[in-house]
Amino acid sequence: EVQLVESGGGLVQPGGSLRLSCAASGFTFSNYAMNWVRQTPGKGLEWVSGLSSGGSNTLYADSVKGRFTISRDNSKNTLYLQMDSLRADDTAVYYCAKDLRSGPRGGFDYWGQGTLVTVSS
Amino acid sequence: QSALTQPPSASGSPGQSVTISCTGTSSDVGGYDYVSWYQEHPGKAPKLMIYEVSKRPSGVPDRFSGSKSDNTASLTVAGLQAEDEADYYCSSYANSNSVVFGGGTKLTVL
Repeated sequence: EVQLVESGGGLVQPGGSLRLSCAASGFTFSNYAMNWVRQTPGKGLEWVSGLSSGGSNTLYADSVKGRFTISRDNSKNTLYLQMDSLRADDTAVYYCAKDLRSGPRGGFDYWGQGTLVTVSS
Repeated sequence: QSALTQPPSASGSPGQSVTISCTGTSSDVGGYDYVSWYQEHPGKAPKLMIYEVSKRPSGVPDRFSGSKSDNTASLTVAGLQAEDEADYYCSSYANSNSVVFGGGTKLTVL
């Protein structure tokens, strides 16, 4: 059974940093691209970042480019999102999502349950 | 990276068919066959319903179908059932090396 379990969310002050993790199991993690998608409470989905299976191709939404860094450790079956210079509008539930392919193209067939990030003073 | 355009709401009676549109540009929906649709029930993670415009993952009922014409993709739900009531989101790969979502459509089964 595929499982994606996010952790690392919490309350952080504006300008602060946070590192999210996503522990994957039930599939060959190193074969698939992985992504982060966020959702503001009561609002829609926003793709944040994607990373190819081998880690060489990184994609970012304009809203987070230069502030967030996606990475993965295929030996630990874990995806990360380092979030720096956080702003109030980064407040959201952050989902880890598995891509159908080795390169991030959209088509997310498994999602975690999400971790809440709140940016507030 | 502009969001794709979806109608905020759609509705239909049980047994009817409903179609939800998703309009983008030639840089996303019109330029790639990487359009996906997701169903989201309150408090649950999104579920993939359609990928690559018209393909259904295993376990998704064939009442759900997808298509695309030019810059607009569509999701059709035939034979509406009460459990189909949910929010639906489209997404597309875009040539800015990104993925873009639509704003979501709330489907109500009357």
